[in-house]
Amino acid sequence: DTEVTQTPKHLVMGMTNKKSLKCEQHMGHRAMYWYKQKAKKPPELMFVYSYEKLSINESVPSRFSPECPNSSLLNLHLHALQPEDSALYLCASSQESAASGDEQYFGPGTRLTVT
Amino acid sequence: SQQGEEDPQALSIQEGENATMNCSYKTSINNLQWYRQNSGRGLVHLILIRSNEREKHSGRLRVTLDTSKKSSSLLITASRAADTASYFCATRSDFFQSSGDKLTFGTGTRLAVRP
Repeated sequence: DTEVTQTPKHLVMGMTNKKSLKCEQHMGHRAMYWYKQKAKKPPELMFVYSYEKLSINESVPSRFSPECPNSSLLNLHLHALQPEDSALYLCASSQESAASGDEQYFGPGTRLTVT
Repeated sequence: SQQGEEDPQALSIQEGENATMNCSYKTSINNLQWYRQNSGRGLVHLILIRSNEREKHSGRLRVTLDTSKKSSSLLITASRAADTASYFCATRSDFFQSSGDKLTFGTGTRLAVRP
């Protein structure tokens, strides 16, 4: 199974709502990532988890809260978002080999609209 | 700011022609990767080239890397309509990273292949 799944595919939420994005992989990868991508722009890294521990936080606002319950799951909790947070949110995973680097496997993304 | 700049930003070719995309980056790298993204979907890894490699092939793809010029190119030969997508280069820094694999994506090239 070389698939990364993400739910939901689409999400519309108000600025006062609380919602969560979910990501799952069963490839035994030990590193998982959240990216944000605006239209016609490249993905921007938000968070990296390695062996279920947060290893990189790219100065993301606290209204985004990541969680890694186990090695297969990654969540992104959303609260009090702004309209400018509307974007495609991508999850990815990779083998953990910091020395050499590995390809990342991406999920299809969650299209988030904040109203 | 993004590590990589790609050119052209957009490219339109006829089916059967070759497509060449270029990527420039600023700092020393461990490896450089190319990804494809179909409209509004997840990214798919195409090829990874390490800093000690100069050229790599995979099917109709040919990637070159010139570390002295801090640049890479992706050549797609005998293009097909199904190759229509955005293509991103992504670099992994040469600096030691304790965990996780931080990629910095270039600005991307939007390729359109006309049937």
